[in-house]
Formats: sequence, C-alpha cells, structure tokens
Amino acid sequence: ETGVTQTPRHLVMGMTNKKSLKCEQHLGHNAMYWYKQSAKKPLELMFVYNFKEQTENNSVPSRFSPECPNSSHLFLHLHTLQPEDSALYLCASVGGGQLFFGSGTQLSVL
Amino acid sequence: GDSVTQMEGPVTLSEEAFLTINCTYTATGYPSLFWYVQYPGEGLQLLLKATKADDKGSNKGFEATYRKETTSFHLEKGSVQVSDSAVYFCALYDYKLSFGAGTTVTVRA
Repeated sequence: ETGVTQTPRHLVMGMTNKKSLKCEQHLGHNAMYWYKQSAKKPLELMFVYNFKEQTENNSVPSRFSPECPNSSHLFLHLHTLQPEDSALYLCASVGGGQLFFGSGTQLSVL
Repeated sequence: GDSVTQMEGPVTLSEEAFLTINCTYTATGYPSLFWYVQYPGEGLQLLLKATKADDKGSNKGFEATYRKETTSFHLEKGSVQVSDSAVYFCALYDYKLSFGAGTTVTVRA
C-alpha cells in the first residue's frame, strides 16, 4: 500500500464515451503526476501539478483533460479517445524526493 | 537533459541465479537515484534508492551502489526467487524524475 489510490482499476470505453479517472492521496504531498504506460514503451509523463497548479503538460492531446481541485485529488477526464490510448494510467505523488505510485487504471478503448 | 539508460530485456533466469540489471545515467547536477519495481497488475513501487555518490541502497536482497565515476547504478541480487518476476525501472531525480525504459525479469522455478 503506497498511500495513493486510483479508481477505477479497470475501464472499458467506446470512442464516443466520456469518463474520468480518479487519484487520491492523503500523504500530505503537494505534487501529483499522471503517467501513461503502454505495452513495450517507456513510461510517458503526461501532466504535473504542484500546489494544484499545472506546471507541466507534455504535449498531451486535448482529449485528455486533467483537473486538480485540491492537493489530495487529481482527475483525468477522458473524451473521444482513440484505440491507441489504451494503456495503464498511473498517478503518483511526490514527497521526500521520491514518487509514490497508485496501482493504475487499465484503460481499454474500443 | 537528464536521462537514464538501462539494460534491455527481457531477462529470464532460474531460481537462485544471480541477477544484474545495468543502469547508467546522464545528469548535469547531483541527482538521487532509484530502482522501482512493478509486479504484474500493479503500479510502481520504490525498491531502493541512493541520494549521493558511494551510497548503497538495499532492500529485499537487492542492492545498488551510486557510482559517480562511472555514472552507474546497477541493480544486483545474489539469489533470485520466482516472486522477483517483475519489471524493474531505474530512475533519477534532479528537478524532476526521469525513468529508464524498464527491464522485464522472469524467474523460473
């Protein structure tokens, strides 16, 4: 148990659906990240939030929309995704110079 | 910019074999170095870390030494178990975290 909780664990959606991924941490950390992990590819950093402000967006398509209402919660809103967006989406928070990861949401886009 | 290069896999071993996964890094500053492990169906977990040159990180029988002169942080375990089957990621943290591509390790009974 890392202290970072992601829901849902698994999600199947059609290309016209709208869904949201949720990440929650109560570790007192002020920085949270979204990563994408595709099969046989390196981890891709998507977004970074520090003190609820987005400080990094790694050229992520607008069909991915992050939201950070407070330092404990991070969302990733999904809209009109493509099959190639199927991947494991990992949330992490930063404290003491290291990342604490959630278990991820395994997303399948049909 | 900062980057991490780690040994490509997959690596397949028998139980009780010796495991080494090579990792080298490029950094302009003095980063902290990490090994993360990802078991099947899970997120990444911190395995061990070292924050300065010559530090040795260790956990669950795994060790890695921060070698500034060779810019390396190789992961080793003397006798692996089936339960060590996972993907291993080398990472460095300076002002942000940079990951290697990951090495898949499979240990057979």
